Amino acid sequence: GAGVSQTPSNKVTEKGKYVELRCDPISGHTALYWYRQSLGQGPEFLIYFQGTGAADDSGLPNDRFFAVRPEGSVSTLKIQRTERGDSAVYLCASSLRGRGGRNNEQFFGPGTRLTVL
Amino acid sequence: AQTVTQSQPEMSVQEAETVTLSCTYDTSESNYYLFWYKQPPSRQMILVIRQEAYKQQNATENRFSVNFQKAAKSFSLKISDSQLGDTAMYFCAFMKHGGKSTFGDGTTLTVKP
Repeated sequence: GAGVSQTPSNKVTEKGKYVELRCDPISGHTALYWYRQSLGQGPEFLIYFQGTGAADDSGLPNDRFFAVRPEGSVSTLKIQRTERGDSAVYLCASSLRGRGGRNNEQFFGPGTRLTVL
Repeated sequence: AQTVTQSQPEMSVQEAETVTLSCTYDTSESNYYLFWYKQPPSRQMILVIRQEAYKQQNATENRFSVNFQKAAKSFSLKISDSQLGDTAMYFCAFMKHGGKSTFGDGTTLTVKP
């Protein structure tokens, strides 16, 4: 696969449940980003990984949200005790390098639409 | 904290005409990057054009060009010879050197035949 992939494409869950959203970045990309996009708004930054470590997690809204990238490739965004306000499209992006320079162009996945009933 | 403002929620243009989308931002950073992304109804975000803040020359990519005014913190996108396939939502984004990005709320552009 040449692009960023995200699974599942759609997830419907009930309030209070736990969900995991997966992102497969482009092979060789060291930087990975998670965003949340609500209807009619721009993507909202959640967290940014450089390799295996979270370089900036200042966008995570609260401690119900957590993300991992244990081997520096695939990442999982985990949401505990989901609330209706968590309903949104969750976007993942990767870039060759996260910091400055020509290689910080972000390539986005198609997103996961999360609906919390 | 950085903010990005796109003051035009919706715009339309006739096919083959030129349209300019506005974006302003606020930051205290001196080293940063600016981007325009396109998001068609299929929702996959695609990079249109990028600008390094340290470069004075405005970036161009075929029919797309920017007017970057660093002092005014303005970064507008000009689309020349508009095509039906340009119909999409356009987002202006700011990336600071550390990698965190801030997006505007987008401008929905409709190209009319």
